Amino acid sequence: SQKIEQNSEALNIQEGKTATLTCNYTNYSPAYLQWYRQDPGRGPVFLLLIRENEKEKRKERLKVTFDTTLKQSLFHITASQPADSATYLCALGGRRGYQKVTFGIGTKLQVIP
Amino acid sequence: GAGVSQSPSNKVTEKGKDVELRCDPISGHTALYWYRQSLGQGLEFLIYFQGNSAPDKSGLPSDRFSAERTGGSVSTLTIQRTQQEDSAVYLCASSPVGDRSDEQYFGPGTRLTVT
Repeated sequence: SQKIEQNSEALNIQEGKTATLTCNYTNYSPAYLQWYRQDPGRGPVFLLLIRENEKEKRKERLKVTFDTTLKQSLFHITASQPADSATYLCALGGRRGYQKVTFGIGTKLQVIP
Repeated sequence: GAGVSQSPSNKVTEKGKDVELRCDPISGHTALYWYRQSLGQGLEFLIYFQGNSAPDKSGLPSDRFSAERTGGSVSTLTIQRTQQEDSAVYLCASSPVGDRSDEQYFGPGTRLTVT
């Protein structure tokens, strides 16, 4: 069955450093991969989408890589700030026209001032 | 503009009662999803609506769960004869058409507690 693995333990980093979160998957050939941010008591917020034919995508301080051979995505936040502290969810999507999306459990990031 | 809204924000119910959860998607969004999120668990897909097409109900955990979407807008998730294991946060999301149709915009969720 499809499986998504994210760092189950919280990631603590110092303010100003680059945070790197990992998303690995098995038994899946996604058409795209997404990253969402979720704050306590709130719904997830869409951040970035990267398609299977793309290697890297950037948005402001965020960078996502997608390696379909390794079945892995890395999510980087550069110059991290305490306001970046949240849980980050990885999500895999299927072919266009079949919109079911599978979410990982998320990694909790804590940026320490 | 207004985002996805859900009501109620919190619902406490007794085991065996029926509950209805409401979702108002973003205006113009044709796709609507329901998910369930339990403590320490990832989002569990429940059901997906897209325009006038038949919904994808493959994630509904039992026949006690049903959902409808009226007029292609508001959706209601109904749980009959609630059980304690139904306690979770129920999240609704909608997606636009076009190039950004794979992006999901989530509501704040309804926290359901079954006592």
